[in-house]
Amino acid sequence: QKEVEQDPGPLSVPEGAIVSLNCTYSNSAFQYFMWYRQYSRKGPELLMYTYSSGNKEDGRFTAQVDKSSKYISLFIRDSQPSDSATYLCAIGDDKIIFGKGTRLHILP
Amino acid sequence: GAVVSQHPSWVICKSGTSVKIECRSLDFQATTMFWYRQFPKQSLMLMATSNEGSKATYEQGVEKDKFLINHASLTLSTLTVTSAHPEDSSFYICSAPSSRGYEQYFGPGTRLTVT
Repeated sequence: QKEVEQDPGPLSVPEGAIVSLNCTYSNSAFQYFMWYRQYSRKGPELLMYTYSSGNKEDGRFTAQVDKSSKYISLFIRDSQPSDSATYLCAIGDDKIIFGKGTRLHILP
Repeated sequence: GAVVSQHPSWVICKSGTSVKIECRSLDFQATTMFWYRQFPKQSLMLMATSNEGSKATYEQGVEKDKFLINHASLTLSTLTVTSAHPEDSSFYICSAPSSRGYEQYFGPGTRLTVT
């Protein structure tokens, strides 16, 4: 079993829709859960992070961690074409393990 | 946020030649830097951890004699792909950890094409 599983997509949704991106992981020892956004031919940039379980909201973005299920989610409300990118979940502390990334297309 | 640069952004080389990629932290010092490889539609795969003043730590399956890493200073790490082959064509990205540990600052990546 891979340490982090993420559906690579692509996921296409109309502008304004709510987007749900998800990952599962296997190592329960990890405490930091992150979402990185990567535009085409660019390096990833940290979008949000969560420590341990719970929710975190930042504008249109909400990150959720369910440690009992080893499941992490990113929700995007009122999606915009500029949100079109690859979203990578990541877990870890000093050493980070990335998911495969989900390619998201927001259709205008 | 902190800035990490990479040079070159895109390089094409012939099979059998060597290519050097530079990773610089522009406004902070990094005793550790990470090198990743990303094939199309695939995730970032950690290749090695570069340590200033000491040998790099390579992930399992990564040939250390093929991918030479040198961390010459607190702001510069280099990755040299020796005797490159077409299967080495990929997107190489470096990163440096922030003081918070869980966050990494990524460079813009270097696209290597070996013909």
